[in-house]
Amino acid sequence: GAVVSQHPSRVICKSGTSVKIECRSLDFQATTMFWYRQFPKQSLMLMATSNEGSKATYEQGVEKDKFLINHASLTLSTLTVTSAHPEDSSFYICSAGVEWTQYFGPGTRLLVL
Amino acid sequence: SQELEQSPQSLIVQEGKNLTINCTSSKTLYGLYWYKQKYGEGLIFLMMLQKGGEEKSHEKITAKLDEKKQQSSLHITASQPSHAGIYLCGADMTGANSKLTFGKGITLSVRP
Repeated sequence: GAVVSQHPSRVICKSGTSVKIECRSLDFQATTMFWYRQFPKQSLMLMATSNEGSKATYEQGVEKDKFLINHASLTLSTLTVTSAHPEDSSFYICSAGVEWTQYFGPGTRLLVL
Repeated sequence: SQELEQSPQSLIVQEGKNLTINCTSSKTLYGLYWYKQKYGEGLIFLMMLQKGGEEKSHEKITAKLDEKKQQSSLHITASQPSHAGIYLCGADMTGANSKLTFGKGITLSVRP
């Protein structure tokens, strides 16, 4: 149990385009999901907390207009990187909490050319 | 400064050897989580510790949280190549199953 999926696993896009990443809890409901970003050989950095039915809470320094988060249902949160630039290239991972434990998705590698 | 320090940064051990890695916080933790990650993949949950002095084991991996709830160690007995990967500790520093703060991770290599 407690499986989290992400789609797509990899995406390459041109600079200036928008990319949507989906995070799904497959066998449980999650009122809260988290979006992290990870650079090579670096730790995970929390970007935002996604709350079902309400606005996301962004960490300091994360542009909410650039990283749009929508938590439309108890099993789905989406992260849209708008007007992507090469510096947005990174590994994006989501997680969802079940009984005091966070379970992570497999991650999405974004490359912006 | 890093809120969670992991040591050592990397470790290479011979198959069959025991090893211990550490995670230290300057603050008291509500929860301490150990995850394993293969490069470019998601995190696999290993164990969660909440109580001071708590110890948990799963297969050949044992994790402990000190009495002050500021330091945790992860011990692997008789390491195998399958144990290789990046070990990340994550901490709940505010309570209520909230966001986690992560250390930089420890890269473990196991030589056959």
